[in-house]
Amino acid sequence: AQTVTQSQPEMSVQEAETVTLSCTYDTSESNYYLFWYKQPPSRQMILVIRQEAYKQQNATENRFSVNFQKAAKSFSLKISDSQLGDTAMYFCAFMKHENTGKLIFGQGTTLQVKP
Amino acid sequence: GAGVSQTPSNKVTEKGKYVELRCDPISGHTALYWYRQSLGQGPEFLIYFQGTGAADDSGLPNDRFFAVRPEGSVSTLKIQRTERGDSAVYLCASSLQAGWLTDTQYFGPGTRLTVL
Repeated sequence: AQTVTQSQPEMSVQEAETVTLSCTYDTSESNYYLFWYKQPPSRQMILVIRQEAYKQQNATENRFSVNFQKAAKSFSLKISDSQLGDTAMYFCAFMKHENTGKLIFGQGTTLQVKP
Repeated sequence: GAGVSQTPSNKVTEKGKYVELRCDPISGHTALYWYRQSLGQGPEFLIYFQGTGAADDSGLPNDRFFAVRPEGSVSTLKIQRTERGDSAVYLCASSLQAGWLTDTQYFGPGTRLTVL
């Protein structure tokens, strides 16, 4: 079975600074997908970024980038130039490479961006 | 509407009662997912539909939980004989197809269920 672990329950960062959220996972699969989702107080989960395991290049979406270390089974999220609107809970998620779309989520990290 | 909608947004019920939670996916999305999110935890997969059929219901915790999607659009999650441990936020998501990386899962705002 696959597991996803986020070891940082809470983090804070000053506006305009950079913060990195950690995620590790366990799987015996060789091909899979990894995601970071953001959940603001409105509860609506929003996809931030995704990575295919077979790609060596780290995914980037504007101010968001990942550091994907397949051998170490690590998938961290870096947020640059943090904004107040980035305040939310962030979830790391895993999906097997099969036609189900079933996501396995970590426990989440609450990020507070301070003015 | 433009996004996934869920009704009601909040539901309070008494232990032992029956509840139904509704999900309206984005129009044209064939795949629909239900997740349960307990306080302070990440969402846990319950069931997913491809069209009208439940393609994977391995996450349903027991036979008190049941979900339907009779016309391949709206889905209803049904919980019988509710227990206090069922209290959680129930999230619904939809995507164009199931499992394609290019098909993002779009989530609704969830239904917060409280069982007294």
